[in-house]
Amino acid sequence: KNEVEQSPQNLTAQEGEFITINCSYSVGISALHWLQQHPGGGIVSLFMLSSGKKKHGRLIATINIQEKHSSLHITASHPRDSAVYICAVKLDGNQFYFGTGTSLTVIP
Amino acid sequence: NAGVTQTPKFQVLKTGQSMTLQCAQDMNHNSMYWYRQDPGMGLRLIYYSASEGTTDKGEVPNGYNVSRLNKREFSLRLESAAPSQTSVYFCASSRLAINYEQYFGPGTRLTVT
Repeated sequence: KNEVEQSPQNLTAQEGEFITINCSYSVGISALHWLQQHPGGGIVSLFMLSSGKKKHGRLIATINIQEKHSSLHITASHPRDSAVYICAVKLDGNQFYFGTGTSLTVIP
Repeated sequence: NAGVTQTPKFQVLKTGQSMTLQCAQDMNHNSMYWYRQDPGMGLRLIYYSASEGTTDKGEVPNGYNVSRLNKREFSLRLESAAPSQTSVYFCASSRLAINYEQYFGPGTRLTVT
């Protein structure tokens, strides 16, 4: 199953750059989840969205339900933002389907 | 408030051995989940428990069993481990009634030789 596609797969940025990570999905969803996986392996929830836009610090997440697309933006990127960013979609019911992640490296 | 805890952190098994991965949450969440993460693939759901007393199969349940022991604890059992079950296993929980945001444990790295 490939309900969720993320792009790019890998991304390298200079410190301070504005970063965009994209997530596209092929079916109707009830919610979309952005997660961050640290180099040590731990997974942290960033945002849960069902419409519009959410902001937390330097992170902004948007979703366009009609276009079946979500973006995660990082402003003024920093080396500590280096991680894998994962998009997951929730269909009706209790299951999430996860993308394979975008690996971000921010260089000082 | 420890969040979601998992034991053990690492385990090596021989083919055919059995083991149980333990998961507990202290956030009074209703729903709990077991995922596996393999290189080049997204997290895949093995089993979930929408509420205490219920369990359901996810995307990749073969070779696994689960028990929702009480509201806090959800265990995953491998009855006869196979090399294909070498993976990193994550437990997660969510407060189903209010929102579906998932909180993850630190993971268990399992190698089956």
